[in-house]
Amino acid sequence: DVKVTQSSRYLVKRTGEKVFLECVQDMDHENMFWYRQDPGLGLRLIYFSYDVKMKEKGDIPEGYSVSREKKERFSLILESASTNQTSMYLCASGTGDLRTDTQYFGPGTRLTVL
Amino acid sequence: KNQVEQSPQSLIILEGKNCTLQCNYTVSPFSNLRWYKQDTGRGPVSLTIMTFSENTKSNGRYTATLDADTKQSSLHITASQLSDSASYICVVRNTGNQFYFGTGTSLTVIP
Repeated sequence: DVKVTQSSRYLVKRTGEKVFLECVQDMDHENMFWYRQDPGLGLRLIYFSYDVKMKEKGDIPEGYSVSREKKERFSLILESASTNQTSMYLCASGTGDLRTDTQYFGPGTRLTVL
Repeated sequence: KNQVEQSPQSLIILEGKNCTLQCNYTVSPFSNLRWYKQDTGRGPVSLTIMTFSENTKSNGRYTATLDADTKQSSLHITASQLSDSASYICVVRNTGNQFYFGTGTSLTVIP
């Protein structure tokens, strides 16, 4: 089974702190994604990566950065956390094949910024 | 504008009954459409994926249909179970490798 793990299920941070969310997948997938999910807004793409050291901005990249130093690991960084970044963060990985690609999601990290 | 709209927003049904969830999209050029199930507090899990040439696909009690002409998809759940209570998300991918998410339908199955 594909496994996507995220470093924390719940996280509480203070405004201004630097926050690291880590995601690891064990299926050698090329593609990895970070989303946030908020009630009534659905999933919104923050950043994605199609290869090691490669990153692309999604729909809402402001206030976030990412790092992909190894194929299996994709980190999301909040340089200076703010209260409007309180959300559920979901990581996903996939093969990229247009016909069959399925994104496999991690369990999510619920981040609260006080 | 590329959009994915799902209806209804929420639904309550009795255990054992059938239900149908709708997804309308304006995403173009179309590549594929998938339905996910998301249990409370967990990440989404893929149920079905359909490309342009496919108009129906089943996964157990879940059957998805796709009408690429009218840009509509439906997810039909047969003989619902309590474990079907979840949020169901429709996602459309374009050929440019971009994903567009609906806001989901929250399904509650009651005994």
